[in-house]
Amino acid sequence: KQEVTQIPAALSVPEGENLVLNCSFTDSAIYNLQWFRQDPGKGLTSLLLIQSSQREQTSGRLNASLDKSSGRSTLYIAASQPGDSATYLCSAGAGSYQLTFGKGTKLSVIP
Amino acid sequence: DTEVTQTPKHLVMGMTNKKSLKCEQHMGHRAMYWYKQKAKKPPELMFVYSYEKLSINESVPSRFSPECPNSSLLNLHLHALQPEDSALYLCASSQLATGSTDTQYFGPGTRLTVL
Repeated sequence: KQEVTQIPAALSVPEGENLVLNCSFTDSAIYNLQWFRQDPGKGLTSLLLIQSSQREQTSGRLNASLDKSSGRSTLYIAASQPGDSATYLCSAGAGSYQLTFGKGTKLSVIP
Repeated sequence: DTEVTQTPKHLVMGMTNKKSLKCEQHMGHRAMYWYKQKAKKPPELMFVYSYEKLSINESVPSRFSPECPNSSLLNLHLHALQPEDSALYLCASSQLATGSTDTQYFGPGTRLTVL
Protein backbone atom coordinates (compact mmCIF):
# COMPACT_ATOMS: atom_id res chain seq x y z
CA LYS A 1 0.00 0.00 0.00
CA GLN A 2 1.30 3.40 -1.02
CA GLU A 3 2.30 5.71 1.83
CA VAL A 4 3.12 9.37 1.32
CA THR A 5 5.05 11.37 3.90
CA GLN A 6 5.57 15.11 3.96
CA ILE A 7 8.28 16.82 5.94
CA PRO A 8 8.16 19.20 7.72
CA ALA A 9 4.60 19.18 9.06
CA ALA A 10 4.80 22.94 9.57
CA LEU A 11 7.18 25.63 8.39
CA SER A 12 7.43 29.32 9.20
CA VAL A 13 9.65 31.58 7.11
CA PRO A 14 10.15 35.33 6.66
CA GLU A 15 8.83 36.93 3.50
CA GLY A 16 11.21 36.77 0.56
CA GLU A 17 12.90 33.55 1.57
CA ASN A 18 13.23 30.61 -0.80
CA LEU A 19 11.97 27.34 0.61
CA VAL A 20 11.67 23.63 -0.13
CA LEU A 21 8.87 21.28 0.83
CA ASN A 22 9.57 17.57 0.80
CA CYS A 23 7.42 14.61 -0.13
CA SER A 24 8.37 10.94 -0.09
CA PHE A 25 6.45 7.89 -1.25
CA THR A 26 7.01 4.20 -0.66
CA ASP A 27 5.87 2.66 -3.95
CA SER A 28 7.73 4.00 -6.99
CA ALA A 29 5.15 2.55 -9.40
CA ILE A 30 3.27 5.82 -9.68
CA TYR A 31 1.64 7.46 -12.68
CA ASN A 32 2.27 10.96 -11.44
CA LEU A 33 3.00 13.19 -8.48
CA GLN A 34 0.76 16.18 -7.88
CA TRP A 35 1.15 19.15 -5.57
CA PHE A 36 -1.91 20.94 -4.20
CA ARG A 37 -2.49 23.99 -2.10
CA GLN A 38 -5.30 24.16 0.45
CA ASP A 39 -6.39 27.27 2.30
CA PRO A 40 -8.17 26.78 5.66
CA GLY A 41 -11.64 25.29 5.22
CA LYS A 42 -11.34 25.41 1.43
CA GLY A 43 -10.93 22.94 -1.38
CA LEU A 44 -7.68 21.94 -3.05
CA THR A 45 -6.02 23.91 -5.81
CA SER A 46 -3.74 21.98 -8.13
CA LEU A 47 -0.33 23.61 -8.41
CA LEU A 48 1.81 21.25 -10.43
CA LEU A 49 1.45 17.77 -11.91
CA ILE A 50 4.54 15.76 -12.80
CA GLN A 51 3.97 12.68 -14.94
CA SER A 52 6.06 9.63 -14.09
CA SER A 53 8.19 10.15 -17.21
CA GLN A 54 9.04 13.72 -16.26
CA ARG A 55 11.63 15.06 -13.85
CA GLU A 56 10.22 18.48 -13.04
CA GLN A 57 7.55 21.04 -13.71
CA THR A 58 7.62 24.79 -13.26
CA SER A 59 4.91 27.39 -12.84
CA GLY A 60 5.89 30.92 -11.96
CA ARG A 61 7.73 30.89 -8.63
CA LEU A 62 7.03 27.20 -8.13
CA ASN A 63 9.21 24.32 -9.23
CA ALA A 64 8.47 20.67 -8.48
CA SER A 65 10.87 17.82 -9.04
CA LEU A 66 10.34 14.07 -9.09
CA ASP A 67 12.85 11.30 -8.45
CA LYS A 68 10.96 8.03 -8.75
CA SER A 69 13.96 5.85 -7.99
CA SER A 70 14.43 7.42 -4.57
CA GLY A 71 10.70 7.94 -4.00
CA ARG A 72 11.00 11.68 -3.51
CA SER A 73 9.52 14.91 -4.75
CA THR A 74 10.27 18.47 -3.74
CA LEU A 75 8.33 21.68 -4.17
CA TYR A 76 10.53 24.74 -4.38
CA ILE A 77 8.95 28.14 -3.74
CA ALA A 78 11.04 31.15 -4.69
CA ALA A 79 10.77 34.56 -3.05
CA SER A 80 7.96 33.53 -0.70
CA GLN A 81 5.07 35.93 -0.05
CA PRO A 82 2.49 36.11 2.75
CA GLY A 83 -0.12 35.01 0.20
CA ASP A 84 1.73 31.70 -0.10
CA SER A 85 0.63 30.81 3.44
CA ALA A 86 -1.44 27.65 3.18
CA THR A 87 -1.19 23.89 3.58
CA TYR A 88 0.62 22.16 0.75
CA LEU A 89 -0.34 18.58 -0.05
CA CYS A 90 1.42 16.17 -2.33
CA SER A 91 -0.29 13.16 -3.82
CA ALA A 92 1.01 10.08 -5.58
CA GLY A 93 -1.17 8.94 -8.44
CA ALA A 94 -1.62 5.24 -9.17
CA GLY A 95 -3.88 4.35 -12.05
CA SER A 96 -6.38 6.72 -13.56
CA TYR A 97 -8.11 7.67 -10.35
CA GLN A 98 -6.20 6.82 -7.23
CA LEU A 99 -4.46 9.60 -5.39
CA THR A 100 -2.68 8.90 -2.12
CA PHE A 101 -2.17 12.11 -0.18
CA GLY A 102 0.42 13.09 2.35
CA LYS A 103 -0.69 14.86 5.52
CA GLY A 104 0.57 18.16 4.22
CA THR A 105 2.99 20.90 5.21
CA LYS A 106 1.46 23.98 6.78
CA LEU A 107 3.41 27.00 5.53
CA SER A 108 3.35 30.39 7.21
CA VAL A 109 5.14 33.28 5.50
CA ILE A 110 5.74 36.10 7.93
CA PRO A 111 5.62 39.68 6.53
CA ASP B 1 -14.43 27.40 -17.22
CA THR B 2 -12.13 25.39 -14.93
CA GLU B 3 -14.42 25.38 -11.96
CA VAL B 4 -16.05 22.69 -9.88
CA THR B 5 -18.94 24.01 -7.84
CA GLN B 6 -20.45 22.45 -4.74
CA THR B 7 -23.62 23.22 -2.84
CA PRO B 8 -24.34 23.86 -0.10
CA LYS B 9 -21.20 25.38 1.41
CA HIS B 10 -22.30 24.43 4.91
CA LEU B 11 -24.79 21.84 6.11
CA VAL B 12 -25.95 20.98 9.60
CA MET B 13 -28.12 17.91 9.97
CA GLY B 14 -29.46 15.60 12.62
CA MET B 15 -28.84 11.89 12.65
CA THR B 16 -32.34 11.14 11.36
CA ASN B 17 -32.26 13.65 8.50
CA LYS B 18 -31.90 12.97 4.79
CA LYS B 19 -29.90 15.50 2.83
CA SER B 20 -27.93 15.69 -0.41
CA LEU B 21 -24.69 17.30 -1.47
CA LYS B 22 -24.37 18.50 -5.04
CA CYS B 23 -21.39 18.92 -7.33
CA GLU B 24 -21.25 20.31 -10.85
CA GLN B 25 -18.60 20.79 -13.51
CA HIS B 26 -18.79 22.02 -17.08
CA MET B 27 -15.29 21.15 -18.23
CA GLY B 28 -16.38 18.04 -20.12
CA HIS B 29 -14.62 15.84 -17.59
CA ARG B 30 -15.72 12.22 -17.56
CA ALA B 31 -14.46 11.24 -14.11
CA MET B 32 -15.92 12.65 -10.91
CA TYR B 33 -14.93 11.95 -7.33
CA TRP B 34 -16.13 12.32 -3.75
CA TYR B 35 -13.56 12.76 -0.98
CA LYS B 36 -13.97 13.12 2.77
CA GLN B 37 -11.54 15.25 4.71
CA LYS B 38 -11.39 15.41 8.49
CA ALA B 39 -9.67 18.31 10.23
CA LYS B 40 -5.89 18.35 9.79
CA LYS B 41 -6.03 15.15 7.75
CA PRO B 42 -5.55 14.56 4.02
CA PRO B 43 -8.56 13.87 1.79
CA GLU B 44 -9.75 10.26 1.66
CA LEU B 45 -11.30 8.92 -1.52
CA MET B 46 -14.89 7.72 -1.17
CA PHE B 47 -16.28 7.17 -4.66
CA VAL B 48 -15.24 7.52 -8.28
CA TYR B 49 -17.59 7.78 -11.26
CA SER B 50 -16.25 7.18 -14.72
CA TYR B 51 -18.54 7.89 -17.68
CA GLU B 52 -21.41 8.22 -15.22
CA LYS B 53 -20.83 4.73 -13.83
CA LEU B 54 -19.57 3.95 -10.36
CA SER B 55 -16.00 2.72 -10.75
CA ILE B 56 -14.68 2.79 -7.22
CA ASN B 57 -16.39 2.53 -3.85
CA GLU B 58 -13.78 2.62 -1.09
CA SER B 59 -15.83 0.54 1.36
CA VAL B 60 -17.97 3.51 2.27
CA PRO B 61 -20.93 2.85 4.63
CA SER B 62 -24.30 2.62 2.93
CA ARG B 63 -25.53 5.72 4.72
CA PHE B 64 -23.61 7.54 1.96
CA SER B 65 -25.20 7.00 -1.45
CA PRO B 66 -23.64 8.55 -4.55
CA GLU B 67 -25.50 9.34 -7.74
CA CYS B 68 -24.33 10.63 -11.12
CA PRO B 69 -27.41 11.81 -13.07
CA ASN B 70 -25.34 13.01 -16.03
CA SER B 71 -21.78 13.78 -17.01
CA SER B 72 -21.83 17.20 -15.33
CA LEU B 73 -23.51 16.40 -12.03
CA LEU B 74 -22.59 14.33 -9.02
CA ASN B 75 -24.70 13.97 -5.91
CA LEU B 76 -24.03 12.46 -2.52
CA HIS B 77 -27.17 11.43 -0.64
CA LEU B 78 -26.87 11.30 3.12
CA HIS B 79 -29.10 9.37 5.50
CA ALA B 80 -28.81 8.36 9.15
CA LEU B 81 -25.36 9.85 9.53
CA GLN B 82 -23.31 9.73 12.70
CA PRO B 83 -21.52 12.64 14.41
CA GLU B 84 -18.19 11.16 13.31
CA ASP B 85 -19.25 11.76 9.71
CA SER B 86 -18.81 15.47 10.28
CA ALA B 87 -16.13 16.59 7.84
CA LEU B 88 -15.37 18.60 4.73
CA TYR B 89 -16.73 16.76 1.68
CA LEU B 90 -14.84 17.52 -1.48
CA CYS B 91 -15.87 16.86 -5.04
CA ALA B 92 -13.33 16.65 -7.85
CA SER B 93 -13.31 15.96 -11.56
CA SER B 94 -10.74 14.98 -14.16
CA GLN B 95 -10.61 14.60 -17.89
CA LEU B 96 -9.93 10.84 -17.88
CA ALA B 97 -7.32 10.90 -20.61
CA THR B 98 -6.15 7.43 -21.60
CA GLY B 99 -2.63 6.33 -20.80
CA SER B 100 -2.00 8.83 -18.07
CA THR B 101 -3.31 10.17 -14.82
CA ASP B 102 -5.08 13.48 -14.98
CA THR B 103 -5.01 16.60 -12.94
CA GLN B 104 -7.94 16.50 -10.58
CA TYR B 105 -9.84 19.74 -10.13
CA PHE B 106 -11.41 20.18 -6.73
CA GLY B 107 -14.46 22.10 -5.63
CA PRO B 108 -14.51 24.29 -2.51
CA GLY B 109 -16.18 21.60 -0.44
CA THR B 110 -19.24 21.28 1.76
CA ARG B 111 -18.64 21.58 5.49
CA LEU B 112 -20.96 19.00 7.05
CA THR B 113 -21.84 18.93 10.73
CA VAL B 114 -23.91 16.03 12.10
CA LEU B 115 -25.55 16.68 15.44
